[in-house]
Amino acid sequence: TQLLEQSPQFLSIQEGENLTVYCNSSSVFSSLQWYRQEPGEGPVLLVTVVTGGEVKKLKRLTFQFGDARKDSSLHITAAQPGDTGLYLCAVISDTGRRALTFGSGTRLQVQP
Amino acid sequence: NAGVTQTPKFRVLKTGQSMTLLCAQDMNHEYMYWYRQDPGMGLRLIHYSVGEGTTAKGEVPDGYNVSRLKKQNFLLGLESAAPSQTSVYFCASSYTWTGFGTEAFFGQGTRLTVV
Repeated sequence: TQLLEQSPQFLSIQEGENLTVYCNSSSVFSSLQWYRQEPGEGPVLLVTVVTGGEVKKLKRLTFQFGDARKDSSLHITAAQPGDTGLYLCAVISDTGRRALTFGSGTRLQVQP
Repeated sequence: NAGVTQTPKFRVLKTGQSMTLLCAQDMNHEYMYWYRQDPGMGLRLIHYSVGEGTTAKGEVPDGYNVSRLKKQNFLLGLESAAPSQTSVYFCASSYTWTGFGTEAFFGQGTRLTVV
């Protein structure tokens, strides 16, 4: 069982459509991060959310941390081909390791 | 603006061969990490280091060794490569423990194939 479950695994949409991807867990976290990974590159941090119910906006991307700090969502408005990539959520787990644990990701393809 | 640099970018090994992957960062970060990325499994932590001269095991450490002799370098070694180690390997670094919400910076990855 993975600590973080991301859904959907794959998403292919047309340019201009809206979409939401999810990151869920049964554990409570002090903070959660979202990264985007483009083909052939390493992940790049998009946002960190730390407060239950927090909403952060980054241009057309809206991130929300669940009230109970167990889940998060990423909503993209009017998707563009440049949004194509692998979206990963990440947390510090309770294993005592001082490192991020990642979900398996949502692979998004935006068709022009 | 080098950031995190991984060497090599691609490598093909025969089963049983050994190799070392090099990670170098120029941001004076204390923390460094090695992850592997396989299809459908996200990034899994192999080993990490919280400072020069220290290393710790991650989620999938078997078959790998690491060393952090200098603060800026973190080496990942495969003593006897196996086909199950075919993967894309990513190195990352952060100023402090990412538990406080600090950013992890990643290299571009090393694509390793073991035949």
